[in-house]
Amino acid sequence: EPEVTQTPSHQVTQMGQEVILRCVPISNHLYFYWYRQILGQKVEFLVSFYNNEISEKSEIFDDQFSVERPDGSNFTLKIRSTKLEDSAMYFCASSGGPRGNTEAFFGQGTRLTVV
Amino acid sequence: AQSVTQLDSHVSVSEGTPVLLRCNYSSSYSPSLFWYVQHPNKGLQLLLKYTSAATLVKGINGFEAEFKKSETSFHLTKPSAHMSDAAEYFCVVRDGGATNKLIFGTGTLLAVQP
Repeated sequence: EPEVTQTPSHQVTQMGQEVILRCVPISNHLYFYWYRQILGQKVEFLVSFYNNEISEKSEIFDDQFSVERPDGSNFTLKIRSTKLEDSAMYFCASSGGPRGNTEAFFGQGTRLTVV
Repeated sequence: AQSVTQLDSHVSVSEGTPVLLRCNYSSSYSPSLFWYVQHPNKGLQLLLKYTSAATLVKGINGFEAEFKKSETSFHLTKPSAHMSDAAEYFCVVRDGGATNKLIFGTGTLLAVQP
């Protein structure tokens, strides 16, 4: 069964450092998403990406964040200068299309710890 | 705006007894609703989905949910809990905007006692 894969599973970084979280969505999907879950809180939408551009972003997704689909298979989330409050589980998701009955498939997440 | 409210943050049941996880939604039109499960240190797995077809939706692992428009509810049930059902469960609504992002509830942690 096709699945979304994320690497690394855990990342520890020092405050102020840049991190890149990587995702390989399901190959024939067209829509890609990043969500995050701060420990003890609910899963929050960060950004959606379609046709090589951001289609929607939340207010959490400020100038410190960026996304990219560099090679047609990977989908990355970059945090330029990490803050303590960026510590969270980050989930990548993909879906075939926004309409109809296509659900989002999630990766297993990357746990980011900023120290 | 779409939203979901999970009425219980923690539910504890004994193995073999029924499970009920409650969710109410708010939507200005017919919503698409989902239940996702997250086992410890695992990703989010889709249990079931409602997308305006049958109001009683059957999912994986014996779970089902009933869409009740009159009560704006989408409660998750299972007749007999298994130890492996212990996990966090999220009620989710699809936002109606162009990107159809998902809006998550706060989650219900299900504990199953032997």
